[in-house]
Amino acid sequence: GESVGLHLPTLSVQEGDNSIINCAYSNSASDYFIWYKQESGKGPQFIIDIRSNMDKRQGQRVTVLLNKTVKHLSLQIAATQPGDSAVYFCAEKERMYSGGGADGLTFGKGTHLIIQP
Amino acid sequence: GAGVSQSPRYKVAKRGQDVALRCDPISGHVSLFWYQQALGQGPEFLTYFQNEAQLDKSGLPSDRFFAERPEGSVSTLKIQRTQQEDSAVYLCASSLIGTGSEQFFGPGTRLTVL
Repeated sequence: GESVGLHLPTLSVQEGDNSIINCAYSNSASDYFIWYKQESGKGPQFIIDIRSNMDKRQGQRVTVLLNKTVKHLSLQIAATQPGDSAVYFCAEKERMYSGGGADGLTFGKGTHLIIQP
Repeated sequence: GAGVSQSPRYKVAKRGQDVALRCDPISGHVSLFWYQQALGQGPEFLTYFQNEAQLDKSGLPSDRFFAERPEGSVSTLKIQRTQQEDSAVYLCASSLIGTGSEQFFGPGTRLTVL
C-alpha cells in the first residue's frame, strides 16, 4: 500500500531499543491529548491518551508525558518491535467534552518510526 | 466485533464529478466524525454528528462538501463538482459517547480526482 510516511520526520531505531517520539502543540487551551498509530493503508489506531491535569500516563509498553509549560508531548515505546513500524500522530482537543464547536481532534504532522532489525 | 467500515475504499473521479462516500460506524456509537487526510499529513477535522444532528461543520472546506446522517447511524460525505485539490483519504471515526471518548477510525476512502 502507499506509505503515509512520505515527507514526514523519520525516527529509525534498533529492534529492542526504546523509542521516544516528540510532539509540540500550540493551543494552550487544549486539555486532552491522544497518540495514534497509523499503518500504511489503514486508519489511525488509538494508543494512549492523557488529560491536562496529568503529566504522565503509562500503558502496556507505552508512556505518554505531557509538559504543559512548554506545550510538549512525548510518546515512549519500550522494547520496540517490528510491528511498531508506523506513522505516529499526536492529537489534541480543546475540551474533552463537546460544546461550542471545536469538537474534532487536531492532529500533528506525524513521525514515521522505522525499526531496524 | 465489527469496526468502522467505509466504502468504497478507492474512488477515482474526473474533475467536476460528484462523489458520495459512505461510513458505517460501530453499532451503538452516538458520535461520528469525518476527517480529510492529504498525503504525508495528519488528518484534518471536517464535521461531527451526534446521532442525526450535525453539531459541527466548521472544518468543511467549501460549500461543495456536504455530510448527512439521517437516521443517526450510517453517514454519507458528498463532494460536488470535485476538484484536484479534493484528492485525499477521507476518514470516518465513531465514538460511543460525545467527543471525549475514544474515536475509532475506519480504513478510509482514497479519493483521486483526475
